[in-house]
Parts: sequence; structure tokens; C-alpha cells
Amino acid sequence: NAGVTQTPKFRILKIGQSMTLQCTQDMNHNYMYWYRQDPGMGLKLIYYSVGAGITDKGEVPNGYNVSRSTTEDFPLRLELAAPSQTSVYFCASSYSGQGTEAFFGQGTRLTVV
Amino acid sequence: AQTVTQSQPEMSVQEAETVTLSCTYDTSENNYYLFWYKQPPSRQMILVIRQEAYKQQNATENRFSVNFQKAAKSFSLKISDSQLGDTAMYFCAFMSLRSNYKLTFGKGTLLTVNP
Repeated sequence: NAGVTQTPKFRILKIGQSMTLQCTQDMNHNYMYWYRQDPGMGLKLIYYSVGAGITDKGEVPNGYNVSRSTTEDFPLRLELAAPSQTSVYFCASSYSGQGTEAFFGQGTRLTVV
Repeated sequence: AQTVTQSQPEMSVQEAETVTLSCTYDTSENNYYLFWYKQPPSRQMILVIRQEAYKQQNATENRFSVNFQKAAKSFSLKISDSQLGDTAMYFCAFMSLRSNYKLTFGKGTLLTVNP
């Protein structure tokens, strides 16, 4: 049981380039999330999804896009990368129900230069 | 909107001693979940302990326990018999049941366990 898998683990982008961070989970969770972690700031929610075909903005969505075509996959797209998007990105998933918790991927460290 | 406040950016403790990390939160909801997550240098987010707001009994997981004060909106983490492997960043998090189970995190407390 792999849990939540994120790829890549590290990436360096040049300003203006685009990329997609991949996230997949094998726990049949309906809820999936993307967070970014900046030093001293905790984790901030970028986008989330409550099921296939349904996505919504979180606290810091500007510069990002998401899609959720299947239950398992929730990719995060960065268009026109900017230095402000240098961060560590975490994908997480959970289910709606008693005793729920969020399971996290290992994170992607992204540097925009 | 919910907010989570961790007032201690850094703490240190001697091995085998006890340490308490503080967390307060603000919400208008009555039912919710609270969590402590640990993030070691590997970057992996690891669940330490969970508390459901409708349960009055404080959660306990081995050396980890919480002091949940619902009226005061306080959720502190006590680590007993601290071990070197407890060195990590600790995040307090609030899960809203009304808002699609989204997590709101505090800024974290960096705990160092000294030998």
C-alpha cells in the first residue's frame, strides 16, 4: 500500500517555465489537497478536491491550476513559474468519516531561478 | 475562517525529560478534529495524535498525550521521556468538518532533544 505518492521530489525551474507536480493515492480517498510550505509559515492550502471532477480554490491559488479526472490522481500545474513559487509542495488525501486524518506525500522541493 | 496559533517557534528539552508544546485555535464550529503532525528532517509529515472535539477524554498515544480544553480552544501536546528521534518540527492542525475536511496549520514549533 503506497499511500500518497508525489513526483518529482526535487525540481529546478527557470522563471516563466511551466511544470506539473504529480500526485496519486491508492486509498480510494475522496478528498485531496495541495499545500505549500514556506519557512516559518506552516502549510498553506492551494487547491483541494472533494471528488473526481470537483475542485476548488484554497488560500493561495494564484499561479496554479488543478484537475481531478480520477479518484486517484490530483496533479498541480504551475504556469509561468515565478520566484515566489519557490517552496515545498505537499499533496494530501483524506476520507470523510469518523476518525479521519490527512495522509501526506513526501513533498516536492521546487526552486524557481 | 479558522486560525491556529503556535506561540513557541523553538523549544529544547533534555533526553528523557518531558516537554509541552502549546497550540490555540479559533473557530465557531462545534465539531472538528485537531491534530499534531511531526515533520522530521526527512520532510515527511507524520501524524502524532488526533483529538475529536466531541470527545472529552484527552487522546494518548504511547509517550504522546494532549491537553484538550475546548472552552479555552487550547490543544497542547505533551511528550514524555523525550528521545533524540523526537527532534522535529511539530505542527498543530485544525480540520474543519464544515469546510470539506480542510486542514489549517499553525506555523510550527521546532523541538530539539538534546543528549
